[in-house]
Amino acid sequence: ETGVTQTPRHLVMGMTNKKSLKCEQHLGHNAMYWYKQSAKKPLELMFVYSLEERVENNSVPSRFSPECPNSSHLFLHLHTLQPEDSALYLCASSQDLGFRQPQHFGDGTRLSIL
Amino acid sequence: EDQVTQSPEALRLQEGESSSLNCSYTVSGLRGLFWYRQDPGKGPEFLFTLYSAGEEKEKERLKATLTKKESFLHITAPKPEDSATYLCAVLGSSNTGKLIFGQGTTLQVKP
Repeated sequence: ETGVTQTPRHLVMGMTNKKSLKCEQHLGHNAMYWYKQSAKKPLELMFVYSLEERVENNSVPSRFSPECPNSSHLFLHLHTLQPEDSALYLCASSQDLGFRQPQHFGDGTRLSIL
Repeated sequence: EDQVTQSPEALRLQEGESSSLNCSYTVSGLRGLFWYRQDPGKGPEFLFTLYSAGEEKEKERLKATLTKKESFLHITAPKPEDSATYLCAVLGSSNTGKLIFGQGTTLQVKP
C-alpha cells in the first residue's frame, strides 16, 4: 500500500460507545496530524505528532484521545462523544514539521454519532 | 489571529471557460501557502506550495500565484474532470506544522 490509509472509512456509534480510528502512512514521514472536517466549516487541526511526540493540541475536548506508537501509525480514541462530533476525520503526514514539507492526507473516516 | 478566506464559495463554469479562485489571508509571518483539491468522499490532494510574493506554480490547466495578501488559482480552459472543491491553507509562524484552512471553493465544470 502507498500513501496514507485510514480505517474504518465509515463509523456509526452511540454516545456511550468507545471506538478508535486508525491511520497508517507508508511514506516514511516523521510528522502526523489529525484534522476534523465538518459540513460548511474549514478543516480544523486537532493534534500534531512529531517523532511520536505530541507537539500540538488545538484545544480538543478530552473525549478525543490521540496515540502515536510509532512514526507510521496514529490512532484517535473516542469515548462519550456528542452529536456535534459527527464529521469527517482526516489523518495527514509530512516529512517533518519544516515549512517546505506539504501534508499528505488520507481519505478520512466518516463518523456519525447517534 | 491567522485567517483564510476563499471566494467565491461556489463556481459554475462551462467547459473551456477560464476563471480564477481567490484566497485572501492574514497571518503573522507567512511561511507557506498551500493549495489542495478535494473530491467528494476523498481526502485533500496536494497541488502547490507558494512561499513568497511573486511566486507562481503551474500544473496542467492550473496556475497558482501569490501576493502579500492573497493567492489566486487560475483555471485555464477547464474540463469536467476539474470539478472539485479547492482548498487554500496557510502556514504561519507556528513551528508545529499547523495549517489554517479556508472554507474552500466548490467548482463545477459543465460539458
